[in-house]
Amino acid sequence: SQQGEEDPQALSIQEGENATMNCSYKTSINNLQWYRQNSGRGLVHLILIRSNEREKHSGRLRVTLDTSKKSSSLLITASRAADTASYFCATDLNTGTASKLTFGTGTRLQVTL
Amino acid sequence: GAVVSQHPSWVICKSGTSVKIECRSLDFQATTMFWYRQFPKQSLMLMATSNEGSKATYEQGVEKDKFLINHASLTLSTLTVTSAHPEDSSFYICSARPPFGGYTFGSGTRLTVV
Repeated sequence: SQQGEEDPQALSIQEGENATMNCSYKTSINNLQWYRQNSGRGLVHLILIRSNEREKHSGRLRVTLDTSKKSSSLLITASRAADTASYFCATDLNTGTASKLTFGTGTRLQVTL
Repeated sequence: GAVVSQHPSWVICKSGTSVKIECRSLDFQATTMFWYRQFPKQSLMLMATSNEGSKATYEQGVEKDKFLINHASLTLSTLTVTSAHPEDSSFYICSARPPFGGYTFGSGTRLTVV
């Protein structure tokens, strides 16, 4: 079953603006990851935040994690047209024998000039 | 960095035929690989976990006789869609975990069944 719910489902902003996407999940996790997917392509790993971390930065990306609320957010600052893509959160669940990724519903980001 | 190669990138097949998709880890050994399916504008749904030298573990609702998974070596897992039907048309993506952590994804295979 789907682990994470993301909102908004779609987001349209102008270049230079910030984009914020939110992810909620249901069970305890080892870590939470964010991925980007250009239309019809594979996934690109953006950032990983562990369950004992609250905030992480990577370039124009800022990720927060609130394990008490089982939620995470991805902020892209100073967006560019090239940031147009779908963004997915994914939770790494330790099932005991092996971990596996479960993806959220995704946010389609459109950055216009 | 760790690379996973997936082939073919796209395939069109006739209804009733079988299609094989390959997933290779190029610079690391992968005892476990994962197969996902993605319908248009939807998220990735885990289909099964492929285990080298043993049977794959399928997620609930995924027909193991329809989606045959073979992981015969530490660098290759294959997914065969048997007796494909138009509703099997989808984007299939594999991934693997390199020894140093994280997940690496293949570029995906777009299957169209006509």
